[in-house]
Amino acid sequence: GAVVSQHPSRVICKSGTSVKIECRSLDFQATTMFWYRQFPKQSLMLMATSNEGSKATYEQGVEKDKFLINHASLTLSTLTVTSAHPEDSSFYICSARPVGGGPDGYTFGSGTRLTVV
Amino acid sequence: EDQVTQSPEALRLQEGESSSLNCSYTVSGLRGLFWYRQDPGKGPEFLFTLYSAGEEKEKERLKATLTKKESFLHITAPKPEDSATYLCAVTTSGTYKYIFGTGTRLKVLA
Repeated sequence: GAVVSQHPSRVICKSGTSVKIECRSLDFQATTMFWYRQFPKQSLMLMATSNEGSKATYEQGVEKDKFLINHASLTLSTLTVTSAHPEDSSFYICSARPVGGGPDGYTFGSGTRLTVV
Repeated sequence: EDQVTQSPEALRLQEGESSSLNCSYTVSGLRGLFWYRQDPGKGPEFLFTLYSAGEEKEKERLKATLTKKESFLHITAPKPEDSATYLCAVTTSGTYKYIFGTGTRLKVLA
């Protein structure tokens, strides 16, 4: 089945530094990738939608200069949290929509636990 | 405004005690409804897609159904390994974004 690899699974960084999270579709090409943030015991909150070769579309209230998204190929999207602060600590998850859609929903990565100290 | 609501928020069952989880939606033009399972510290794992009222899908102890206003995830004779958060999401005409419900945290006791 479709697999999305997300790295790193856990990262601890110092306040003020930047962190990059990678999301790769391993056995399919993804027209669109989605980035979510999830707080404890809450559902997934969509941050942005990225399409290969174009600028990401951010949800209302998400700072595009803080959460930089790049979707340079049909198999790779990255999320960079710039100048991270403790309030950015969260669980970040990506998902990928295959070219042509597909009937089985979107595949999610395993998530990245970001802790900013 | 498009909205997805799940109930109950949390559910504790004894092993073998069947039950149902509810996902109610108010959207303009349903494209598809999706059920996912999420274990702690992991990404959601796909379970089912439903597209039209009356549709049903089954997988092991799980069965998903869809009406024009809601979907049910029926769990028959659950086992402790079924403990997880179950998420419902919809897509609507004109967008491929998921609108997620708040989830149901299921705990099955041995």
